Amino acid sequence: DTGVSQDPRHKITKRGQNVTFRCDPISEHNRLYWYRQTLGQGPEFLTYFQNEAQLEKSRLLSDRFSAERPKGSFSTLEIQRTEQGDSAMYLCASSVGISYNEQFFGPGTRLTVL
Amino acid sequence: DQQVKQNSPSLSVQEGRISILNCDYTNSMFDYFLWYKKYPAEGPTFLISISSIKDKNEDGRFTVFLNKSAKHLSLHIVPSQPGDSAVYFCAFFTGNQFYFGTGTSLTVIP
Repeated sequence: DTGVSQDPRHKITKRGQNVTFRCDPISEHNRLYWYRQTLGQGPEFLTYFQNEAQLEKSRLLSDRFSAERPKGSFSTLEIQRTEQGDSAMYLCASSVGISYNEQFFGPGTRLTVL
Repeated sequence: DQQVKQNSPSLSVQEGRISILNCDYTNSMFDYFLWYKKYPAEGPTFLISISSIKDKNEDGRFTVFLNKSAKHLSLHIVPSQPGDSAVYFCAFFTGNQFYFGTGTSLTVIP
């Protein structure tokens, strides 16, 4: 399977704990996006990478959130000191090129903070 | 600030009829307009797009219309099939970001 993969698919954690999600994009895709989706809403942009460089971050991405993409391949999204409001689906998408091009989404990681 | 609005959260259509999904936007600087389809427990899947310089794009049963003066985007599915039942998101691309609407859940009744 050469699509975008995300791990884990589901995560339940207690408030205050740290969590880390992983995204493996399609191998030749140099752009990688992270989104958050809550019930009844569309995906909301969090951040994106062009190769290993994090080029843009949304104001939704508080200082408890950090994303990395070492070596321009897989990416991780870490949430520190989770809060109940962090409960959402976290989606990763990748695309090729330096501007607009079709995005391919992963299946998402559903986070539940108790 | 919701830049993209899908005012109909749900739509039901008989199989074989036309499905029309609508989307309104506020930002005139968008470069591309897109529609995504999403099944439960899966990520969104790209369906069709249109450049801001065009007003129509067709791909098989799917046609997207762009009315820039009204800042309105629509997706027509003809004929509708039960497999089209999903949540549809409109999205806009500008400045290296994608902005998504809230989605419309389409149910095609056999």
